[in-house]
Amino acid sequence: AQRVTQPEKLLSVFKGAPVELKCNYSYSGSPELFWYVQYSRQRLQLLLRHISRESIKGFTADLNKGETSFHLKKPFAQEEDSAMYYCALSGWGETSGSRLTFGEGTQLTVNP
Amino acid sequence: DTEVTQTPKHLVMGMTNKKSLKCEQHMGHRAMYWYKQKAKKPPELMFVYSYEKLSINESVPSRFSPECPNSSLLNLHLHALQPEDSALYLCASSQASGTTTGELFFGEGSRLTVL
Repeated sequence: AQRVTQPEKLLSVFKGAPVELKCNYSYSGSPELFWYVQYSRQRLQLLLRHISRESIKGFTADLNKGETSFHLKKPFAQEEDSAMYYCALSGWGETSGSRLTFGEGTQLTVNP
Repeated sequence: DTEVTQTPKHLVMGMTNKKSLKCEQHMGHRAMYWYKQKAKKPPELMFVYSYEKLSINESVPSRFSPECPNSSLLNLHLHALQPEDSALYLCASSQASGTTTGELFFGEGSRLTVL
C-alpha cells in the first residue's frame, strides 16, 4: 500500500522566515513524489516533482529514500505563499494501475 | 490548450435526480481521473481511465457511473445520490498511466450539493 503522511495540518510563519513542510511516505517500490499547491479559489496545481530537481517559486524538495521523506523548504517565506500544500505519491497500486495518493495537506499561512 | 475543463461548476440535485458531470482535455493525455474532495480534506481517488478503459475503481458505489467516450472526454453519471455525496468533484488528466502517473493536471472542479 502507498501512504503519505503530513504531520502538520496548520503551519504559520512570518514573512521572511524559513519554512519547512514535512512529508513522509510509505511505499514498497520506487515512488514518484510531488508537491501540489491549492491557492484560495484556484485549481490544484503542481509545484514540484522530485525527478525534475527544480526550484519553483523559491521552493525546493529533496527525496530522502533512507528517511522516506520529501520535505518542502523555502528560505524566505512570502505572503503569497499562503495556501494548502499537498504532498503526493505516485506508484503502482495493490490491485492494478498507477495512482496518485495525497497526504492530508498542510495549510500554510504567512503573516506580514 | 493546457487546461482541463469541467462543467458544470456548480450542481444542486435531489436524491432522485439523474445528472452528469463532464470533463474535457485537449492535451493528448491518455489517462483521466475522477477525484472527490470534501472540505478541508485531500482529494480521494474514485476512478482511473487509461487509454479509454477503466483501470481503477476504488470501490465507488454504483450510484456513480463513469464513462470515457473518447480520449478527450470523461463523464461522471450521477443517480440516486445521498446528501453525504455532496463534495467537490475533480477531474484530472496525465500523459499516460504506466508504473507512475506522472504529473496530473486538474480541473477547477464541479461543486455538487445533494438535497
